[in-house]
Amino acid sequence: AQSVTQLGSHVSVSEGALVLLRCNYSSSVPPYLFWYVQYPNQGLQLLLKYTSAATLVKGINGFEAEFKKSETSFHLTKPSAHMSDAAEYFCAVGGYSSASKIIFGSGTRLSIRP
Amino acid sequence: DTEVTQTPKHLVMGMTNKKSLKCEQHMGHRAMYWYKQKAKKPPELMFVYSYEKLSINESVPSRFSPECPNSSLLNLHLHALQPEDSALYLCASSQERTVSNYGYTFGSGTRLTVV
Repeated sequence: AQSVTQLGSHVSVSEGALVLLRCNYSSSVPPYLFWYVQYPNQGLQLLLKYTSAATLVKGINGFEAEFKKSETSFHLTKPSAHMSDAAEYFCAVGGYSSASKIIFGSGTRLSIRP
Repeated sequence: DTEVTQTPKHLVMGMTNKKSLKCEQHMGHRAMYWYKQKAKKPPELMFVYSYEKLSINESVPSRFSPECPNSSLLNLHLHALQPEDSALYLCASSQERTVSNYGYTFGSGTRLTVV
C-alpha cells in the first residue's frame, strides 16, 4: 500500500522567507509523487511531479521539490514566499497500480505574513 | 483547451431532490474521476472511469450514480442525499488509465449543499 504523510497542518512564513513543506511517502515500489495546490474555493492545480527522471523537480510559480529515497521524502520548497502563495498544499503518491489512484496527504495550509 | 469544466459551480438541493453534476474535458483524456472533498480535508476518490467504463467504485452509496456518456463528459447523478453529503465535488481527468505518469487535471468543483 502507498501513503504520504505531510508534517504540519499549518505553516506560516514571512513574505520573502523560505517556504518548506514536508512530505514523506511510503511505497513498496518506486513511487510517482506529486504536489498540488488548492486556492480557496477552487480545484487542485498540479505544481510538480516526480516520475523518476530527475531527483530535483522544478514546478510552476518558483516551487521545486527533491526526491530523497534514503529519507523517503519529497519536500516542497520555494526560496522566497509571496503573498499569493497562501493556499492549501497537498502531497500525493501514485504508483504502477492499474487502479489509477492518486492518494493524497492530509494537506498543509500555508500562510504568508506581510 | 487544457481545462476541466464543471457545472454548476454551486448547488443547493433538498434531501428529496434529484440533481446532476456535469464535468467536461476536451483534452482527449481517457480516464475521468469524481472526488469528494470536505472542508479542510484532502480529496477522497469516489469513482474512476477508464475508456468510458466504470473501473473503480470506492464503496460509494447508491444515492450517488455516475455516468460517462462519452469520452469527454462525466456526470454524477444525485438522489435522496443527506446533509452530510454537503461538500466540494471535484472532477478530474488524466491522459491514460495509468495516471501516475501524468497526474490529474482538476476542475474547479461544484460546491454542494444539502438542506
